Amino acid sequence: QKEVEQDPGPLSVPEGAIVSLNCTYSNSAFQYFMWYRQYSRKGPELLMYTYSSGNKEDGRFTAQVDKSSKYISLFIRDSQPSDSATYLCAMSVIKAAGNKLTFGGGTRVLVKP
Amino acid sequence: GAVVSQHPSWVICKSGTSVKIECRSLDFQATTMFWYRQFPKQSLMLMATSNEGSKATYEQGVEKDKFLINHASLTLSTLTVTSAHPEDSSFYICSARVEGGGYTFGSGTRLTVV
Repeated sequence: QKEVEQDPGPLSVPEGAIVSLNCTYSNSAFQYFMWYRQYSRKGPELLMYTYSSGNKEDGRFTAQVDKSSKYISLFIRDSQPSDSATYLCAMSVIKAAGNKLTFGGGTRVLVKP
Repeated sequence: GAVVSQHPSWVICKSGTSVKIECRSLDFQATTMFWYRQFPKQSLMLMATSNEGSKATYEQGVEKDKFLINHASLTLSTLTVTSAHPEDSSFYICSARVEGGGYTFGSGTRLTVV
């Protein structure tokens, strides 16, 4: 079993719909949670970063963390075709600079105009 | 925000030659840089962690003599793929942790070995 599980998709939604993404994890030591967006042949771009249970909102993006269920989510409101990309969840154990990330496999999202 | 500049973005080399990939932190100091490899439609696979002024730490299964990592300054880390072969063709990405949390990534290097 992988440490971080993420549905690979593809997830296809019409423009303007809410995109709902999630990851589950098995390591209860994970404390820091991130969502990245990656366009084809580009490096990942940080969307959200959180280290506590609950919700965090930034523009059209809302990240949720439920540590008791080991489950994190990302919601994208008013989705646009430009949101079509692969979304990766990532997490780490501690905040130290040398601590490495564990990634989910990524979910491919397609927003249709 | 914090930016990691990665070059080249795309390189083709002949089998048996070496290729160097550079990552520079432009507006912050990166004491630690992470190097990843990514195959098509797959997630990132951590290859090694480089620390400024010391030897890199390689993940299990990664050949340190093939993938040479140097982190000579707080703003520059390099990955050299030595004696490259077609199976080394991949997308290589560097990353560093930034102040305030999260990790920033370079734009990636697509290596094709022919």
